Amino acid sequence: AQKITQTQPGMFVQEKEAVTLDCTYDTSDQSYGLFWYKQPSSGEMIFLIYQGSYDEQNATEGRYSLNFQKARKSANLVISASQLGDSAMYFCAIPHGDDKIIFGKGTRLHILP
Amino acid sequence: GAGVSQSPRYKVAKRGQDVALRCDPISGHVSLFWYQQALGQGPEFLTYFQNEAQLDKSGLPSDRFFAERPEGSVSTLKIQRTQQEDSAVYLCASSLAGREPEAFFGQGTRLTVV
Repeated sequence: AQKITQTQPGMFVQEKEAVTLDCTYDTSDQSYGLFWYKQPSSGEMIFLIYQGSYDEQNATEGRYSLNFQKARKSANLVISASQLGDSAMYFCAIPHGDDKIIFGKGTRLHILP
Repeated sequence: GAGVSQSPRYKVAKRGQDVALRCDPISGHVSLFWYQQALGQGPEFLTYFQNEAQLDKSGLPSDRFFAERPEGSVSTLKIQRTQQEDSAVYLCASSLAGREPEAFFGQGTRLTVV
């Protein structure tokens, strides 16, 4: 069964610093993908970045990058040059079966001015 | 509209009351998902539609929960005889097909059962 573990319930980071949000996963699938979503206080889940297990290079989307280490089963999200608007909940997620996505418990990120 | 729209945004129900939560997906999106998010937790899968067909309802916590999407667009999640443990945010998401990375979520309906 798929499982996502996010060990950081909350983080405080100074504005403009880089942030690493941890995510480890467990899966029996040979081919899989990892997602990261952002959930601001308004409630909607915003897709940030995705990487497939067979992608050779770490995914990058603007200030977001995914530090994917298959041997360690980790898929950490790195946010460079953090901004006040980055304050939100962040969820790591993995697909399960053909339809559902399994989410971790999330990390609440606070960016300090 | 441009995004996934859910209504109402907030719902307070007395225990035992029936509620209906509505989701308007992005036009043309084939797949529609419902998730339940308890306070301080990540979203948990409830059910999945492909067009009007409900292909997976394995996450529905009890037979008090029922979802439909009769014309393959708007979906309704109904909860009968609400209990306090049903209090959560109910998120709807849609995508062009399957669980593509760009699944677009609505802002959710926060249900509080008193």
